[in-house]
Amino acid sequence: EVQLVQSGAEVKKPGESLRISCQGSGYSFAGYWIGWVRQMPGKGLEWMGIIYPANSDPKYSPSFQGQVTISVDKSISTAYLQWSSLKASDSAMYYCARFSGATFSAAWFDPWGQGTLVTVSS
Amino acid sequence: QSALTQPASVSGSPGQSITIACTGTSSDVGSYYPVSWYQQHPGKAPKLMIYEGTKRPSGVSDRFSASKSGNTASLTISGLQAEDEADYYCCSFAGSSTFVFGTGTKVTVL
Repeated sequence: EVQLVQSGAEVKKPGESLRISCQGSGYSFAGYWIGWVRQMPGKGLEWMGIIYPANSDPKYSPSFQGQVTISVDKSISTAYLQWSSLKASDSAMYYCARFSGATFSAAWFDPWGQGTLVTVSS
Repeated sequence: QSALTQPASVSGSPGQSITIACTGTSSDVGSYYPVSWYQQHPGKAPKLMIYEGTKRPSGVSDRFSASKSGNTASLTISGLQAEDEADYYCCSFAGSSTFVFGTGTKVTVL
């Protein structure tokens, strides 16, 4: 079974750093892009960025470029989403999802991780 | 890069059909890039419902179908059931190696 398992909920203070993870199993991790999606409380889905584990090549949404860092360790089939200095506005649910499709522009997200809730509060 | 536009809410009675529109531009939905659709129940992760514009993954009911015309993609749910009550999102490639989601539609079964 193809599965993505994310790290647990986090509570942090403004200015702190954070890295959350997404571990894939049941498929060849290096061969599929992994994406990250933000969902702020009561709001919709926002595409943050994506990374190709085989060459660690990240692509970012302009809205998130410079705000977060997406990385991967293919040796342990794990993708990461990282902040160097959290803000209260980073409080949200974050999902990872495997990117599938014959071509990049025709691809889709499936499956999804269970989500990681990040709370940033002083 | 703006979110694709969806109606905030759509409702219907059990057994009826509803359609959710997803409007973009000629740079995303209106291009030849296929749209995918996702269902999200409260407190749950999104679930893929439609990929490559019109295809249903294994396990997704054939009551769900999708189409596209111009800059607008549509998801139709026929024979509406209580379990279909959820939020629905469209997603399209937006160029420059980026994707964009729709604003989301809350489906209510009356």
